[in-house]
Amino acid sequence: AQSVTQPDIHITVSEGASLELRCNYSYGATPYLFWYVQSPGQGLQLLLKYFSGDTLVQGIKGFEAEFKRSQSSFNLRKPSVHWSDAAEYFCAVGASAGGTSYGKLTFGQGTILTVHP
Amino acid sequence: EAGVTQFPSHSVIEKGQTVTLRCDPISGHDNLYWYRRVMGKEIKFLLHFVKESKQDESGMPNNRFLAERTGGTYSTLKVQPAELEDSGVYFCASSQGRGMPQHFGDGTRLSIL
Repeated sequence: AQSVTQPDIHITVSEGASLELRCNYSYGATPYLFWYVQSPGQGLQLLLKYFSGDTLVQGIKGFEAEFKRSQSSFNLRKPSVHWSDAAEYFCAVGASAGGTSYGKLTFGQGTILTVHP
Repeated sequence: EAGVTQFPSHSVIEKGQTVTLRCDPISGHDNLYWYRRVMGKEIKFLLHFVKESKQDESGMPNNRFLAERTGGTYSTLKVQPAELEDSGVYFCASSQGRGMPQHFGDGTRLSIL
């Protein structure tokens, strides 16, 4: 069964500082990987995705993530955080083709990001 | 293009009552998913429709939950009778194809008293 671990429940950074949110997954084959963000009172917004190819993927709002198969990781990064980035971030793995669970997402526990001015 | 729409945004009911949540996916998206986040826990998959057919309902907690998708358009999720542990945020998502990125609604916050 697939699983996702986000080791950090809460991270606090200063505005302008760099950010890295950790995500480790467990999946038997090559996974589909996603990062979503949820701002207060809103739904989940897709930041970026990895399906195949280049292991460094660029997303919206200046975010990027790197897929490292050897470490089963898909960490999210941003070089300079803005106050508007304060939100909850979710890493998710999607079952790849084959089987009834194809398409289903398994989420990590989420990481709450607080940004200090 | 309108996004995924969920109704109501918040529902407060008493234990033992019935509640129906609705989800309108993005037009043309055959794949519709329901997820739930109970407070303090991760977002968990409930079920997946492809058009009007249930493709995977392995995440449905018990038979008090009934999901339908009439005509392959909007979907409803009924909880009958509601129990305290059903409280949480219910998310709906849709995608053009299986494995494609899922677009989420704002969720329905369900509170059982």
